[in-house]
Amino acid sequence: EVQLVESGGGLVQPGGSLRLSCAASGFTFSDHYMDWVRQAPGKGLEWVGRTRNKANSYTTEYAASVKGRFTISRDDSKNSLYLQMNSLKTEDTAVYYCARTPALDWYFDLWGRGTLVTVSS
Amino acid sequence: SYVLTQPPSVSVAPGKTARITCGGNNIGSKSVHWYQQKPGQAPVLVIYYDSDRPSGIPERFSGSNSGNTATLTISRVEAGDEADYYCQVWDSSSDHPVVFGGGTKLTVL
Repeated sequence: EVQLVESGGGLVQPGGSLRLSCAASGFTFSDHYMDWVRQAPGKGLEWVGRTRNKANSYTTEYAASVKGRFTISRDDSKNSLYLQMNSLKTEDTAVYYCARTPALDWYFDLWGRGTLVTVSS
Repeated sequence: SYVLTQPPSVSVAPGKTARITCGGNNIGSKSVHWYQQKPGQAPVLVIYYDSDRPSGIPERFSGSNSGNTATLTISRVEAGDEADYYCQVWDSSSDHPVVFGGGTKLTVL
């Protein structure tokens, strides 16, 4: 089955860190760009960032709101995507989705079910 | 940064046609993608590149894009179409290159 499954969410204090994972299956993970998109409770979708594939040197891009605090990485041998979140703020509270992107493109054709991150003291 | 504007809500009776707009400056020059999100679920791509449908999406879903407005059209609306719909574009000049609209809640009366 073609799917993405996120894990690693939870409650963390402001200033803390958390690492999210996304396990891919059913497709050739290494061919695709992979993105993280988040959704604050009751709000709309916000792009977090992306990692490109090996053919494009695994380059990354980030939204201005998370640049310098969040790091996206991937392990193609494990079909896995990661989001390292540092210096977390209350406004980072959201459901975090991993999403698949066709290489060289900018839309999301497969999404995971998401994992909730709550930043609160 | 680039802004996409959607109406917060649209209501339609079953069997009728729903039109959800997405406004942006010269959006007709960009490629617009649309997602459906039902409560508690992940978004699903329903239209990409203005008017293309992924496999498995009913032909009742169609899209258009011209000038300052892109439109998602759902024909013969069913109760199961009730959801939030988001438009999305790529804006190379923005520090947020992926831009989503604020979302439209489609209510089937």
